[in-house]
Amino acid sequence: QVQLQESGPGLVKPSETLSLTCAVTGYSITSGYYWGWIRQSPGKGMEWIGSMYHSGSTYYNPSLKSRLTLSVDTSKSLFSLRLRSVTAADTAVYYCARDNEPYYFDFWGQGTLVTVSS
Amino acid sequence: QSALTQPRSVSGSPGQSVTISCTGTSSDVGGYNYVSWYQQHPGKAPELMIYDVSKRPSGVPDRFSGSKSGNTASLTISGLQAEDEAEYYCCSYAGSQKVFGGGTKLTVL
Repeated sequence: QVQLQESGPGLVKPSETLSLTCAVTGYSITSGYYWGWIRQSPGKGMEWIGSMYHSGSTYYNPSLKSRLTLSVDTSKSLFSLRLRSVTAADTAVYYCARDNEPYYFDFWGQGTLVTVSS
Repeated sequence: QSALTQPRSVSGSPGQSVTISCTGTSSDVGGYNYVSWYQQHPGKAPELMIYDVSKRPSGVPDRFSGSKSGNTASLTISGLQAEDEAEYYCCSYAGSQKVFGGGTKLTVL
């Protein structure tokens, strides 16, 4: 069974960089599929952030593209997100997920809350 | 890309059927047969219920079904059960990006 687990700081200061990691178990990242990030602001809906293939091919939400970097470490079976110059609007629960085909998310992590505040 | 439009809430009694709509444009819902639906209980991660408009992942009850007409996709839940009470989100592929709906709160009366 594919399992994903997010990790990273729960508090980030405004203007700094938000960094999260997603560890994948039960499946080899190099076997295929895209791997993505989705966030959910408190009391609001969900927003797709971006997705990447194990080879490094990426596609980003255009509204976040200028601040976003996704990367993958196949040796450790994990993928990462870096979002620069954060503001309070970036406060959200961040989920990592397997991006199948890539048209839908079939396995999700439990999510991690990141608060942007000084 | 704007968020897809879903009703804020729907409700139904146990055993009844409810339908949740998801309206987009020809650039997303109408342009691709790649609409997915997710169920989210409070404090939990979303769970895939429908993909590619109408396909069900293994383990999802056949009470859940999906369809699409033009720029609007729909999720129908028949034989409502108490455990179906949750938030439901649609999501559509939109050509190298994805867009979610705002979510619909389903209340089982």
